Parts: sequence; structure tokens; C-alpha cells
Amino acid sequence: EPEVTQTPSHQVTQMGQEVILRCVPISNHLYFYWYRQILGQKVEFLVSFYNNEISEKSEIFDDQFSVERPDGSNFTLKIRSTKLEDSAMYFCASSAGRATGTYEQYFGPGTRLTVT
Amino acid sequence: LAKTTQPISMDSYEGQEVNITCSHNNIATNDYITWYQQFPSQGPRFIIQGYKTKVTNEVASLFIPADRKSSTLSLPRVSLSDTAVYYCLVGEKNQGGKLIFGQGTELSVKP
Repeated sequence: EPEVTQTPSHQVTQMGQEVILRCVPISNHLYFYWYRQILGQKVEFLVSFYNNEISEKSEIFDDQFSVERPDGSNFTLKIRSTKLEDSAMYFCASSAGRATGTYEQYFGPGTRLTVT
Repeated sequence: LAKTTQPISMDSYEGQEVNITCSHNNIATNDYITWYQQFPSQGPRFIIQGYKTKVTNEVASLFIPADRKSSTLSLPRVSLSDTAVYYCLVGEKNQGGKLIFGQGTELSVKP
């Protein structure tokens, strides 16, 4: 069964550093998303992406964040200058472009980002 | 977006049927009810979706009364591996739309 993959599984970085989280969505999907989950809290939407542009973003997704689809397979989330409060699990998700009936989103295993 | 209310936690034993109820009093006409499951340190996984009455798949059943102000996820004969957080989401079924997660229900299945 196709799945969303994410790398790295765990990233440790110092405050102020830039990080890039990488995702490979399911190959025939057209909609891509990033969510995050701070330890012990709920999953929060960050951004959605379609047709090479951002469709929607949340208040969390400020100027420090950016997304890119640099080629036909990868989808990246960049945090320019990390803060302590960016420490969280970051999930990438994708959904199909064709009508599947449920429009379900498929989530990757996540990247745990630790900012020290 | 309709606000949902679920129990924070539930306990069960292996082999039992588990019913998790979600309240969504302000559900709109175009809203669907969707349930996701999340195991520790993993991403959420779609379980089931419905609009009204009953929906069943190989994993679970979803019961939705006529007024649609609540819904019940039913897991038949749970096992230890069903220990997870279960999220009820209510919103329009549209391609590319964001998912809004609440706190979910933490289900603990004991031997």
C-alpha cells in the first residue's frame, strides 16, 4: 500500500537555526499538507498546498515558515529561524486529486523536531 | 466549523465492543462526520466517514441519528492494538480542505 514518507524521523537543532523537513507524498496525490503536534496537545493544521501554491495557511504559519515542492516527488517545510516553541512532531499529509468519496488525508510518520 | 465534544478517555478490555460518542450540536447541512485514529508517535489515520444513518467498513461502524447532532464510532471486539486516540471531525467534504482536530478520545484497551 502506498504511503507518505518523511525524513528525518528526528531532528535536533539549536534556536535560530534553519531546518528543512522533507516529505514524499503518495505519488498520484495532488493536495499536500503540513500539520504539527506539540507533545501532549492536539494536531494543528499549518498549511495546504495545491498546484504549486499555498491554498490555505493557519496563524501558526508565519513568515518563518515556507513550503516548497522542488521536484515531482518531494514536499518540504522550512523553518527559517527556529524557536524553542517550534519543538513538535511535524506531520506531512497528502490526498488524492480525483474524487475518492471521502477525500481522506494520508499522514506520514512524522518528524520530531527538538529545538534546544 | 462545527465544534465537537468527545470523552477525554475511555477504558476497555480485549474482546469488548467499544462505542465512542461525539457531540456536534451545530453541525451544518453540508457537514460530514469523519473519524481518525492516532497511535502514539504516528500520524493520524482515516477510519470512517458518514453523513447519516449507519456506515460500516472492515474496521468500524459509524452510527448517526436522524438529527445528526451526535455520532457514535463503534469498534467491535477491540484488541490491545486498538489502544489509540480517536478523533471526531466535522466539516464539509471538500478536496484539499484542512482537517481540524480536537483533543480526541484516548482509548486504552487492557488485557
